[in-house]
Amino acid sequence: GENVEQHPSTLSVQEGDSAVIKCTYSDSASNYFPWYKQELGKGPQLIIDIRSNVGEKKDQRIAVTLNKTAKHFSLHITETQPEDSAVYFCAATINDMRFGAGTRLTVKP
Amino acid sequence: NAGVTQTPKFQVLKTGQSMTLQCAQDMNHNSMYWYRQDPGMGLRLIYYSASEGTTDKGEVPNGYNVSRLNKREFSLRLESAAPSQTSVYFCASRVRTGTTYEQYFGPGTRLTVT
Repeated sequence: GENVEQHPSTLSVQEGDSAVIKCTYSDSASNYFPWYKQELGKGPQLIIDIRSNVGEKKDQRIAVTLNKTAKHFSLHITETQPEDSAVYFCAATINDMRFGAGTRLTVKP
Repeated sequence: NAGVTQTPKFQVLKTGQSMTLQCAQDMNHNSMYWYRQDPGMGLRLIYYSASEGTTDKGEVPNGYNVSRLNKREFSLRLESAAPSQTSVYFCASRVRTGTTYEQYFGPGTRLTVT
């Protein structure tokens, strides 16, 4: 089945800096790659996604890139703010969704 | 529109006890899912229901059973709880958009088995 690896497991940045989280997947048939943000005590919330026919997608301060050849995709957050502090999960989807282990992002004011 | 709701929010069980976690969605989605979340392991799929009347095993189904009661409701049952089932459980529903999917999660149930 699909295997998703996510790095780093923890990331600490200063407010205003950029943050990058990377994921790799194993099954080239995966065609949908969502990113979820999970705040303490809450369920994961979809923040951005990308489909296999697109290389890059941007929504305000967040962007996702996909390299199908290398089977990796990344989340980029620019101008980070303290409220961006959370755990972020990537996932790769064929029929069911397989998740990475998560990245705990801390933005220091 | 409440999205995906789960009950209870917290539960403590003793080893060997049974319980059912409830999940409901009001988005008219066909597919529903149960995940467990453990530290450092992300979200792992326990069972899913692609449509009303069907259920299938995921990555970690042992020790669990599910029921798709109707299109809205999907319950997860622990027949004889074990400490290894201490976890946070999330229910999700999914909608197909073209050839891909968008998945929405409930707030979770934190279960402790002593």
